[in-house]
Amino acid sequence: GAVVSQHPSRVICKSGTSVKIECRSLDFQATTMFWYRQFPKQSLMLMATSNEGSKATYEQGVEKDKFLINHASLTLSTLTVTSAHPEDSSFYICSARPHRGHNEQFFGPGTRLTVL
Amino acid sequence: DAKTTQPPSMDCAEGRAANLPCNHSTISGNEYVYWYRQIHSQGPQYIIHGLKNNETNEMASLIITEDRKSSTLILPHATLRDTAVYYCIALKKNNAGNMLTFGGGTRLMVKP
Repeated sequence: GAVVSQHPSRVICKSGTSVKIECRSLDFQATTMFWYRQFPKQSLMLMATSNEGSKATYEQGVEKDKFLINHASLTLSTLTVTSAHPEDSSFYICSARPHRGHNEQFFGPGTRLTVL
Repeated sequence: DAKTTQPPSMDCAEGRAANLPCNHSTISGNEYVYWYRQIHSQGPQYIIHGLKNNETNEMASLIITEDRKSSTLILPHATLRDTAVYYCIALKKNNAGNMLTFGGGTRLMVKP
């Protein structure tokens, strides 16, 4: 149980285009989902916290108009990187916390974004 | 949440026990110690967590000192697939607003 998927696993795009990444909790409902970014040889950095049905809370320094987050259901959150540039190239990871009783987070496998 | 300190890297021989230390000297009474690991190019994987008592599951054991200022994650028989970055995180439990803050972790290299 507690499986989180991400799609796509890898994406290459041209500078200026937008990319959408999906995060799904497959066998549980997730009130809260988190989005992280990880640059090579660095630790995970939290970008935003997303609660189902409400606006995401962004960490300091993360542009909310550039990284659009939608959490429309208890099993799906999406991150859209708008007008992507090479400096946005990174490993994007989502996690989900089950609806009831737990504080553990379960992570997706990550999405490798490369912006040319 | 309390800050945690871990050595940046460790080596371990395959088949031997890997003991990964973590200092959390400012941990408060309602903060749990969580351990995650991240294998290269994958998302982090939950390993174990505990409050005061030692804990064991199918992946690892967690030993927490009586004063709770430090803990050790033990992989009893390390395999090559245990090579990963291991993160120790102090976190209040059952607080819906809480998020995980990842430090540098310990890069464990299991060698044949």
